[in-house]
Amino acid sequence: EVQLVESGGGLVQPGGSLKLSCAASGFTFSGSAMHWVRQASGKGLEWVGRIRSKANSYATAYAASVKGRFTISRDDSKNTAYLQMNSLKTEDTAVYYCNLPITIFGVVVSDYWGQGTLVTVSS
Amino acid sequence: QSVLTQPPSASGTPGQRVTISCSGSSSNIGSNYVYWYQQLPGTAPKLLIYRNNQRPSGVPDRFSGSKSGTSASLAISGLRSEDEADYYCAAWDDSLSGPEVFGGGTKLTVL
Repeated sequence: EVQLVESGGGLVQPGGSLKLSCAASGFTFSGSAMHWVRQASGKGLEWVGRIRSKANSYATAYAASVKGRFTISRDDSKNTAYLQMNSLKTEDTAVYYCNLPITIFGVVVSDYWGQGTLVTVSS
Repeated sequence: QSVLTQPPSASGTPGQRVTISCSGSSSNIGSNYVYWYQQLPGTAPKLLIYRNNQRPSGVPDRFSGSKSGTSASLAISGLRSEDEADYYCAAWDDSLSGPEVFGGGTKLTVL
């Protein structure tokens, strides 16, 4: 059974940093891309970024709203993806989900989501 | 302001058919597949439709998707109380907005 478990959320002051983790199990983590998606309270979904597999050079991509401040990485030996968040702003307050898309020939045909972890940026 | 535009709300009575629209541009819906997600209250989103009109295993055939030009629609037939949820469209975007963009979401109420 595929499981994604996020951790690392919490309260941080504006300008601070936080690192989220997404521990994965039940599938071949090293061969999979991983995405991060966030959702502010009562708001819609916002794609944050993704990291591809080693076979795809661990290529990363980010939403314009977080580019230059957030960094996605992974440790295939630990089956874990990370989201390093720096220079945090109050508008980064949200539940952060990690997402595993299941692709066939490059087309997403299903996916899995973690339970989410809450990040609150406030003084 | 979301890149993809959805109506904030929709409603229907049990058994009815409802549709939710999603409007985008040539850089996203116009040139890429559309995906639809269902988010039940207090839970993570779930993929409902992929590649414009395909259903993942386990999704009832009451749910269907379509796309035309830079717009897409999700239709739910035989509406049931358990369909009350938020629905989001998504698509890859070829512009600087980022590889994936979502609609603002539509809250579906079953009356």
